[in-house]
This record gives sequence, C-alpha cells and structure tokens, in this order.
Amino acid sequence: GENVEQHPSTLSVQEGDSAVIKCTYSDSASNYFPWYKQELGKGPQLIIDIRSNVGEKKDQRIAVTLNKTAKHFSLHITETQPEDSAVYFCAAKAGGGADGLTFGKGTHLIIQP
Amino acid sequence: DAGITQSPRHKVTETGTPVTLRCHQTENHRYMYWYRQDPGHGLRLIHYSYGVKDTDKGEVSDGYSVSRSKTEDFLLTLESATSSQTSVYFCAIKGLATSETQYFGPGTRLLVL
Repeated sequence: GENVEQHPSTLSVQEGDSAVIKCTYSDSASNYFPWYKQELGKGPQLIIDIRSNVGEKKDQRIAVTLNKTAKHFSLHITETQPEDSAVYFCAAKAGGGADGLTFGKGTHLIIQP
Repeated sequence: DAGITQSPRHKVTETGTPVTLRCHQTENHRYMYWYRQDPGHGLRLIHYSYGVKDTDKGEVSDGYSVSRSKTEDFLLTLESATSSQTSVYFCAIKGLATSETQYFGPGTRLLVL
C-alpha cells in the first residue's frame, strides 16, 4: 500500500517568514495530494490540493509543488501569520481501485511573534 | 464542517463494551469514511462506504464494523472496545465520484478504560 513520510515534525518560524513542509510518497500510481490544516480540538480542514497532472498550484499565500519523478510534494506558506500556527498534514490518494487517503504524521507549525 | 455532524463528541467506556459512533451528513454525498487519529500516526483509514449498504475495509479495520442503511448516516461500531481503540475518530465525506476532495467532521474523542 501507499506510505507517506512527512518532515519536519515540528517547524518554528518567525512571523512574516516562509515555511516549507515536505512529503514523500511510495506509490507511483498515486494521483491526488491534499494538504490539511488542523487546529486544536477540530477536524482537519483542506487548504490546498494538487493532482498528478499539475506541477504547482497557488492560492494566495499558500502553494503546493509536486515532483512526480522524485515522488515528493511540498507545502509553501509565505508571509506567515500567527493564525497559521496549527498542525499540517499531507496525504496521498493511491491510484487504481483503492479509496481513502494515506496521511503523513503531521507537522506542528509554530509562528513566533 | 461541510454539513457533517458526529455523535457523541466525547465518550468514556469500559473495556469489553460495544460502542457505536454516528456520522450524519446533510449533503447527500455518496462516499463516507471513518478515520482514527493517534499521536505519531496521523490519520488512518478504518472503513469507508461508497453507497447504501456498500462498504469496504481500510488500513486498520480489525475490531471495527460499519453500517450504512441510509445515505446520510454512517455508523462505526467497536464490537468489544479495547484500550488500544482509545483515539479520536473522524468521519469524512467525498462528493462526486470524479472528485477526490474529502471534508472532515469535528471528531469524536473516545476513551476506553
């Protein structure tokens, strides 16, 4: 089955700086890669996603890049703000008939004032 | 939370007792999922449903069963709860068969003593 590795587990950045979280996946047939933000006591919320036929996608301060050859994808947050502090999860959807998402273990992003 | 409610939101139970968690959606979505979230593991798929009475196993299905008798409700049952099933349980929905986007509910925190 699919395996997703996520790094780092904790990331601390100064407010206004950029943050980058990286994930690798194992199944070359995986075709969909979402990123979720989870605040304490809440369910994960989708913030951006990318499909395997696209190399990069941007939504305001958030961007995701995908390198299919290397089987890795990254989340980029620019001009970080205090409300960006949360746990971020990457995930991958395997190709073929299997359903459901395989998640990384999460990154705790801390924005220092 | 994309029209998803979960009940109960918190539950404490004893080892060996059966427990049923409910996920209710108001969006008439075909696909529904149950995940569990544990520290150091991210989210892991337990079971999913692709229609009324149509369900399949996920990565960590042992000790769990599901039922879906109506489009709007997806039930997760722990047949005989164990301490290893202490976790936070999230329900998710996916809309169109051609869309991979999953939206999560607020979660149920379960403690098995």
